[in-house]
Amino acid sequence: DSGVTQTPKHLITATGQRVTLRCSPRSGDLSVYWYQQSLDQGLQFLIQYYNGEERAKGNILERFSAQQFPDLHSELNLSSLELGDSALYFCASSVSGVSAGELFFGEGSRLTVL
Amino acid sequence: DAKTTQPPSMDCAEGRAANLPCNHSTISGNEYVYWYRQIHSQGPQYIIHGLKNNETNEMASLIITEDRKSSTLILPHATLRDTAVYYCIVRPRGNTGNQFYFGTGTSLTVIP
Repeated sequence: DSGVTQTPKHLITATGQRVTLRCSPRSGDLSVYWYQQSLDQGLQFLIQYYNGEERAKGNILERFSAQQFPDLHSELNLSSLELGDSALYFCASSVSGVSAGELFFGEGSRLTVL
Repeated sequence: DAKTTQPPSMDCAEGRAANLPCNHSTISGNEYVYWYRQIHSQGPQYIIHGLKNNETNEMASLIITEDRKSSTLILPHATLRDTAVYYCIVRPRGNTGNQFYFGTGTSLTVIP
């Protein structure tokens, strides 16, 4: 158990819909990261937040947005969903946003768009 | 973006050492080498990291060449539970954020 909690674990929805994925980082971790992993694909970095502020942005679509709240949990919002958005979405956390250190990953949210 | 090259797949006999190579020929002086693994659709798991010295922990050893252009992750006694995709990542330290860019990794199959 990494200490990172993601909900929901599974989600099935239709094209055009909007969903919200939630992530609770490890206690004390200030940074949250979101990754997308499509079928048979590598992990694609989407976005990073540190203590409520956006720190880095990767290959995140404009239809996607995220935020980190004062209690440090984070949400990833996916809108106007397309079939190609079906993927595993992982959240990770780390203590700091800048120092060398490891990321702790949650078990992911599996999104299926029909 | 990923700056490493790994073989797409490898096999290893159970109980033998698994040696997973990684090429990072463009690594710069302030970049660490990290290894993670992902067991079938689970969240990736940190294994080990290093800058220039060899490192060892309870899971594995990391051997970095003197010129730092390549490294090898060693699982000393592979078990069936070590079957996973192993990712080698280089990441700079300093005030550049802590994001990790994963490549396609090496799919290690441990054979009974």
